Amino acid sequence: SQELEQSPQSLIVQEGKNLTINCTSSKTLYGLYWYKQKYGEGLIFLMMLQKGGEEKSHEKITAKLDEKKQQSSLHITASQPSHAGIYLCGADMGGAQKLVFGQGTRLTINP
Amino acid sequence: DAGVIQSPRHEVTEMGQEVTLRCKPISGHNSLFWYRQTMMRGLELLIYFNNNVPIDDSGMPEDRFSAKMPNASFSTLKIQPSEPRDSAVYFCASSSHPGGGELFFGEGSRLTVL
Repeated sequence: SQELEQSPQSLIVQEGKNLTINCTSSKTLYGLYWYKQKYGEGLIFLMMLQKGGEEKSHEKITAKLDEKKQQSSLHITASQPSHAGIYLCGADMGGAQKLVFGQGTRLTINP
Repeated sequence: DAGVIQSPRHEVTEMGQEVTLRCKPISGHNSLFWYRQTMMRGLELLIYFNNNVPIDDSGMPEDRFSAKMPNASFSTLKIQPSEPRDSAVYFCASSSHPGGGELFFGEGSRLTVL
């Protein structure tokens, strides 16, 4: 969806390194969702953010939503091969009762 | 508990043929979504249902596409006639929140139209 821009489109990092993926909208987001997808499989829910300034962590993955609720970042600390996959942000654009998704970021972890 | 179940996982068909994709949502979920994923366009919402009623079908590309949800445990997405540009992975997702919220996705149906 052009309503959500993800960057970078692809990312290759050395195992053990940290990385950040960004998701930006020109509109206020009423809910921001991060999903992970492995090739040939469905999407797996990671985290949901709703409040401006909110931050959530799960294991080595941290997601933040900025105060204006227009940008979110996903940060992985000490990356591992299991982190490889496609990360997608999805957002409730408000009143539409549906999620639209960014184009995704393809993450490769080199051993 | 079983997740969202889609069938078939893979379908190869010839242009002009009818294609029917099936989805069984998670029991108790009252919202169901059909998405299409391609390299060029990413993940696009085609249609979604609340309590078996179609709410928004603005993402359905053409009249060749139709979706039904006859009951709370079954939905179909039909393409008739199919075209090569319909080749994609079609995902079904369900949610217990009327507004979508956390979606639980099936494994997808990979469609190839020759």
